Amino acid sequence: EDKVVQSPLSLVVHEGDTVTLNCSYEVTNFRSLLWYKQEKKAPTFLFMLTSSGIEKKSGRLSSILDKKELFSILNITATQTGDSAVYLCAVSIIQGAQKLVFGQGTRLTINP
Amino acid sequence: NAGVMQNPRHLVRRRGQEARLRCSPMKGHSHVYWYRQLPEEGLKFMVYLQKENIIDESGMPKERFSAEFPKEGPSILRIQQVVRGDSAAYFCASSSSGGATDTQYFGPGTRLTVL
Repeated sequence: EDKVVQSPLSLVVHEGDTVTLNCSYEVTNFRSLLWYKQEKKAPTFLFMLTSSGIEKKSGRLSSILDKKELFSILNITATQTGDSAVYLCAVSIIQGAQKLVFGQGTRLTINP
Repeated sequence: NAGVMQNPRHLVRRRGQEARLRCSPMKGHSHVYWYRQLPEEGLKFMVYLQKENIIDESGMPKERFSAEFPKEGPSILRIQQVVRGDSAAYFCASSSSGGATDTQYFGPGTRLTVL
């Protein structure tokens, strides 16, 4: 069965800290790995990773994929209270058609 | 460019009633995906549709659930004779081509509560 596991499930830090969120996967027919940020509404797209070892960066957020060890990390530096959200990792697979397999999410809380 | 639209945002039904959830994809997108998120769980794939075609419904319960994406109008996820266990957030996503590295963009979701 295709599986995506995120850790930790919950994380509380102080504003200004750096956090690392983890995502490991076991799937067949891997195509890409995606990170989304979910506040109280729609998951919003952050990154798509397809190649190992190439860091993607957007402001204070960055992410990298290791296809040999089957995991990805999402880093957030200099965290702000607005970063508080659930961060979802999803793996895109082809199983007949394309679909996303999601992890449980990491609930990140940034305290002022 | 409007994003993915879903309505209603909140829906309350009594057991045995029908629920109809609507999704309008992003402009230019013809591929729609439905996911369900139970409380404290990740999103689970339900069904993938293109215009007038169901491509993959492997994640959808065999009974009471159906989906369509007509030539004109939004995609509809229909749940007949709802039960308490159907209470969840239902998210729709759309993409432009359905390709393996095509990004899916999500709508705000419909939160269904079954009393």
